Amino acid sequence: AQSVAQPEDQVNVAEGNPLTVKCTYSVSGNPYLFWYVQYPNRGLQFLLKYITGDNLVKGSYGFEAEFNKSQTSFHLKKPSALVSDSALYFCAVRDSGNNDMRFGAGTRLTVKP
Amino acid sequence: GAVVSQHPSRVICKSGTSVKIECRSLDFQATTMFWYRQFPKQSLMLMATSNEGSKATYEQGVEKDKFLINHASLTLSTLTVTSAHPEDSSFYICSARASGGAYNEQFFGPGTRLTVL
Repeated sequence: AQSVAQPEDQVNVAEGNPLTVKCTYSVSGNPYLFWYVQYPNRGLQFLLKYITGDNLVKGSYGFEAEFNKSQTSFHLKKPSALVSDSALYFCAVRDSGNNDMRFGAGTRLTVKP
Repeated sequence: GAVVSQHPSRVICKSGTSVKIECRSLDFQATTMFWYRQFPKQSLMLMATSNEGSKATYEQGVEKDKFLINHASLTLSTLTVTSAHPEDSSFYICSARASGGAYNEQFFGPGTRLTVL
């Protein structure tokens, strides 16, 4: 069965600085990897996904993530953080066998002005 | 991307009553729908997976008689919380997977906040 780990409960960065939110995964087959963002009392907003192809994936709002097969990681990055990026971020994985999606525990990102 | 709606967005009910939450795929056909539950400051936990026309498959620890799932059409799934209790208060999120194609993308609804008094 697939699983996801987000090792950091909380990430704090200053506005304008680069940010990284970490994610590692475990699947039996080839991974489909996703990042979602959630604002208070709202559903999930899709940021980006990796299915195949280039390891560097660019998504919404200036976010990107790099698939690293050897390290089984899919860290989310942004070169310059905004205060409005403050939210809860979830990494998720499905294996290519089309099973259900599993979520990490979430990382709360706080960007301070 | 495709749109998934949920109704109601918020519901408050008394303990012992039943609550139905609807999940609709508005512009695509979803052969598979998923129901997740999210407690405050926690991640989404998969409750069950439903395929159109079939019985839902529940995750371990989820009571199928308490959380009734019906996936009667390719655009509608319902979750009924029967005899709700305060511990059922949570944020319920549905997700729908489009049929066909090499990769079946999964789309999420906006969630339903259930509060049981």
